[in-house]
Amino acid sequence: SQQGEEDPQALSIQEGENATMNCSYKTSINNLQWYRQNSGRGLVHLILIRSNEREKHSGRLRVTLDTSKKSSSLLITASRAADTASYFCATDGGSNYKLTFGKGTLLTVNP
Amino acid sequence: EAGVVQSPRYKIIEKKQPVAFWCNPISGHNTLYWYLQNLGQGPELLIRYENEEAVDDSQLPKDRFSAERLKGVDSTLKIQPAELGDSAVYLCASSLGDLAGAHDEQFFGPGTRLTVL
Repeated sequence: SQQGEEDPQALSIQEGENATMNCSYKTSINNLQWYRQNSGRGLVHLILIRSNEREKHSGRLRVTLDTSKKSSSLLITASRAADTASYFCATDGGSNYKLTFGKGTLLTVNP
Repeated sequence: EAGVVQSPRYKIIEKKQPVAFWCNPISGHNTLYWYLQNLGQGPELLIRYENEEAVDDSQLPKDRFSAERLKGVDSTLKIQPAELGDSAVYLCASSLGDLAGAHDEQFFGPGTRLTVL
């Protein structure tokens, strides 16, 4: 079963615009992670935010976490065509280091 | 540093045939994971190893799936016999293991795309 649900399922934007993806989950977590998957390539870890953190930045990425609403958002600023990929949130419940992935958001950045 | 290596990258078999996937994790990574990813879905954990011990195989369909990690390094996932519904991408991942916080980031291989006809 999948805990995280990303929204929207698909997003199409122009290069230079910002992209925002949301993730909702159901049970308490130890941390929440975002991964990117390009076609033909494996999953790549982007950023991790712990349950006691509210916001985290990494380059053009900004992640927020609201544990009271059980939700997270990933913002990609100044998007590039190379950002075209599927983005997954994954929750770590903490008890057995098991990551539970959502279905992903397919982001298309048009040049 | 080499990443997680998986082979083969693609496999096409007929139903009821056996198939095996191989994974070599990043050197020094004690924890190894096998995931299944269906089209349009996120990965789902099949089994997790800490060194050579399978510590979570609750999602592994044990009637037809088996896995081993004999020396605590590389691992093999087998399906016998394969069914049409097994068509998917099989991903292997590894992480540092039982160190403080070291379970956090998982490094994924490119996956094996299995097609069962």
